[in-house]
Amino acid sequence: ETGVTQTPRHLVMGMTNKKSLKCEQHLGHNAMYWYKQSAKKPLELMFVYSLEERVENNSVPSRFSPECPNSSHLFLHLHTLQPEDSALYLCASSQDREGPILFFGSGTQLSVL
Amino acid sequence: AQSVAQPEDQVNVAEGNPLTVKCTYSVSGNPYLFWYVQYPNRGLQFLLKYITGDNLVKGSYGFEAEFNKSQTSFHLKKPSALVSDSALYFCAVRRTDSWGKFQFGAGTQVVVTP
Repeated sequence: ETGVTQTPRHLVMGMTNKKSLKCEQHLGHNAMYWYKQSAKKPLELMFVYSLEERVENNSVPSRFSPECPNSSHLFLHLHTLQPEDSALYLCASSQDREGPILFFGSGTQLSVL
Repeated sequence: AQSVAQPEDQVNVAEGNPLTVKCTYSVSGNPYLFWYVQYPNRGLQFLLKYITGDNLVKGSYGFEAEFNKSQTSFHLKKPSALVSDSALYFCAVRRTDSWGKFQFGAGTQVVVTP
């Protein structure tokens, strides 16, 4: 399998649930990203990991918790989400922290009830 | 701070006609500029980039974009649109000295009619 793979493709959860989104890249890249895509809004950068260093958007609520156990895998742990968190969550990777091109997965469409 | 503006939510064009999708940006320092395309139920795909050098950049599927520093613009163009070009297009900027922090616009929906 090649590219950036995200699972699950769709997720419906209640506000009290705990779930995790998974991303795996098969490109040998060293930087991985989480973006939130809401309709008619700019993509929102949530977290970036590169070689164990993390950059985060300070406006992201603590109910979103990233984990990057190695350069190929990235998780987004979700707990006590709100309905306004419903969105498409996109994972991306780049060759390294300077790499100018992002490679995106197909996303996880999250619905919070 | 950096920002990207795509002034049009939607662009409608007939097949065979020229297509232009507008993008202006604001960034302190030197920018990297990008265009990405998103087809339904898919992630974003890279189309082209401006890093340095020639202001006219050619990319995938016959698209090109022109970097205009004085107008801080990076408009996407295609001389003859195809129905298959119908998709959501995103402009993005990143400072050359700011790793990881890509700033995307809100996207422009392109609709090409036969």
